[in-house]
Amino acid sequence: AQSVTQLDSQVPVFEEAPVELRCNYSSSVSVYLFWYVQYPNQGLQLLLKYLSGSTLVKGINGFEAEFNKSQTSFHLRKPSVHISDTAEYFCAVSGWDSNYQLIWGAGTKLIIKP
Amino acid sequence: DAGVTQSPTHLIKTRGQHVTLRCSPISGHKSVSWYQQVLGQGPQFIFQYYEKEERGRGNFPDRFSARQFPNYSSELNVNALLLGDSALYLCASSLDGGAGGNTIYFGEGSWLTVV
Repeated sequence: AQSVTQLDSQVPVFEEAPVELRCNYSSSVSVYLFWYVQYPNQGLQLLLKYLSGSTLVKGINGFEAEFNKSQTSFHLRKPSVHISDTAEYFCAVSGWDSNYQLIWGAGTKLIIKP
Repeated sequence: DAGVTQSPTHLIKTRGQHVTLRCSPISGHKSVSWYQQVLGQGPQFIFQYYEKEERGRGNFPDRFSARQFPNYSSELNVNALLLGDSALYLCASSLDGGAGGNTIYFGEGSWLTVV
């Protein structure tokens, strides 16, 4: 069975500083990997996804993530955060053994300090 | 084009009551999934429908049921509501349910409070 672990429940960072949100997954099969963002009182918006090919994936709002198969990780990064990035970020995985349903991590709250 | 639309956006129900939540997928999308998101947690998969047939069911009791209509819209029904059913219910729309890696789009959700 697949599972996702987001290692930090909250990440405080100063505005304009870089940030990394960590995500590890477990799966015995090939997977698709996703990062979604949820702004307060809103639904989920896709930031980026990894399906195959290049391990560095670029997404919206200046975010990128790197797929590392040997470490089963898919960490999300941004070189310089803005106050508008304050939100909760969810990592998710899907594959044929979950019938391509999204299996989610518990989320990481990104807190931007002015 | 309209995104995924859900109704109602907020509702309050009493324990033991029944609730129906509705979802309209993006035009052209044939798959709808439902997720429950309890405050402070990630979403949990409830159901997926594709071409009006149930394709998957998560680990939820039989009080939860759903269906998809010929126009691909969907309803989620929950009977005999419990306090623990209080959550944000998210509807997701995709072309094929995710098998081809197509993006899964989410609605704004329906906030259900059970008192």
